[in-house]
Amino acid sequence: DAKTTQPTSMDCAEGRAANLPCNHSTISGNEYVYWYRQIHSQGPQYIIHGLKNNETNEMASLIITEDRKSSTLILPHATLRDTAVYYCIVIGYSSASKIIFGSGTRLSIRP
Amino acid sequence: SQTIHQWPATLVQPVGSPLSLECTVEGTSNPNLYWYRQAAGRGLQLLFYSVGIGQISSEVPQNLSASRPQDRQFILSSKKLLLSDSSFYLCAWSVGGTSGFQETQYFGPGTRLLVL
Repeated sequence: DAKTTQPTSMDCAEGRAANLPCNHSTISGNEYVYWYRQIHSQGPQYIIHGLKNNETNEMASLIITEDRKSSTLILPHATLRDTAVYYCIVIGYSSASKIIFGSGTRLSIRP
Repeated sequence: SQTIHQWPATLVQPVGSPLSLECTVEGTSNPNLYWYRQAAGRGLQLLFYSVGIGQISSEVPQNLSASRPQDRQFILSSKKLLLSDSSFYLCAWSVGGTSGFQETQYFGPGTRLLVL
């Protein structure tokens, strides 16, 4: 599975949009981009995933560049409860998808 | 809707004692089930996965074992715990089927195990 690169930490003001970038320059054609987050001492929470089209759900939007080498997770109106470590991972459709989290981005929401 | 339960939430055990962690899923049938562990501040390590009752695949050889006695029940066990088994243990499920493991995985709340 392709490796991903994310900034170690970011912060965002409450109520503003949080934009979390992820680079996955070695992604292959059948690999999906997934985002999870983990609030301290809890299990990871699925946020969103996509292949090449932009996706939106009740939690977030996922913007994938045309060449698929990078993506951005957007939390449109960040709240204090969005403080967590956010993981961007790439999973191939045909592989036994053991989820391998990298170090992720620690997002802090300031009041 | 589907829910996943793990218990206990926290556990303190002496070295050499046995271990049994339980995971159950509600609201779905024939799920794929997974056991991961996560050391403090680190990523996930897949330990076992299962595509059906009695079918267990091991990813990392160690003193842990897993069993799936029922369709929606997954158990992580050890006969003798080591200090190095202290970790955060997570169970996850995904929609089962022949299409493989790409389906989104949903995690339980985890069990924090401390071996002393």
